[in-house]
Amino acid sequence: GENVEQHPSTLSVQEGDSAVIKCTYSDSASNYFPWYKQELGKRPQLIIDIRSNVGEKKDQRIAVTLNKTAKHFSLHITETQPEDSAVYFCAASINYGQNFVFGPGTRLSVLP
Amino acid sequence: GAGVSQSPSNKVTEKGKDVELRCDPISGHTALYWYRQSLGQGLEFLIYFQGNSAPDKSGLPSDRFSAERTGGSVSTLTIQRTQQEDSAVYLCASSLVSGGSDTQYFGPGTRLTVL
Repeated sequence: GENVEQHPSTLSVQEGDSAVIKCTYSDSASNYFPWYKQELGKRPQLIIDIRSNVGEKKDQRIAVTLNKTAKHFSLHITETQPEDSAVYFCAASINYGQNFVFGPGTRLSVLP
Repeated sequence: GAGVSQSPSNKVTEKGKDVELRCDPISGHTALYWYRQSLGQGLEFLIYFQGNSAPDKSGLPSDRFSAERTGGSVSTLTIQRTQQEDSAVYLCASSLVSGGSDTQYFGPGTRLTVL
């Protein structure tokens, strides 16, 4: 079955710097890759997603890149702000939404 | 509009007792997912319902866990003979269509504590 790895497990950056979180997946049939942000004590919320027919997607300060050949995808946050501090989860699924497998999460701390 | 709701928000039970957790998905969403999140850990997939199709139960950790979805809407996750390792937050999510618009919306979760 699918296996998703995520690195780093923790990440601290200074406010205004960029943060990059990387995920790898094992199943080449995976075709949908969402990223979720989970603030302390709250539910996960989708922040951006990408499908396998696209290499990059941007939404303001957030971007996601996908390398299908290498089976990895990355989340990029630019001009980080303290409110970006949270745990970020990547996920991979086959059939655009069936049977999601999540990465273990990255705890991002943005230091003022 | 109303989001995904779950009840109860907190459940404390004794080891060996059965518990039922409820999820009300967003109206019209055909796909429903259950996940488990242990303290400080990631999201563990449990089960997935899509329309009238047979559910994908591949993530259920043991036969003590079962789930049903009545009328394609409300879902109940049942844990029989609870164990301390079952303590976790159980999250439900729903999405409009699997295979098309697939954004998952999560409920607030049920925090289960097994004493």
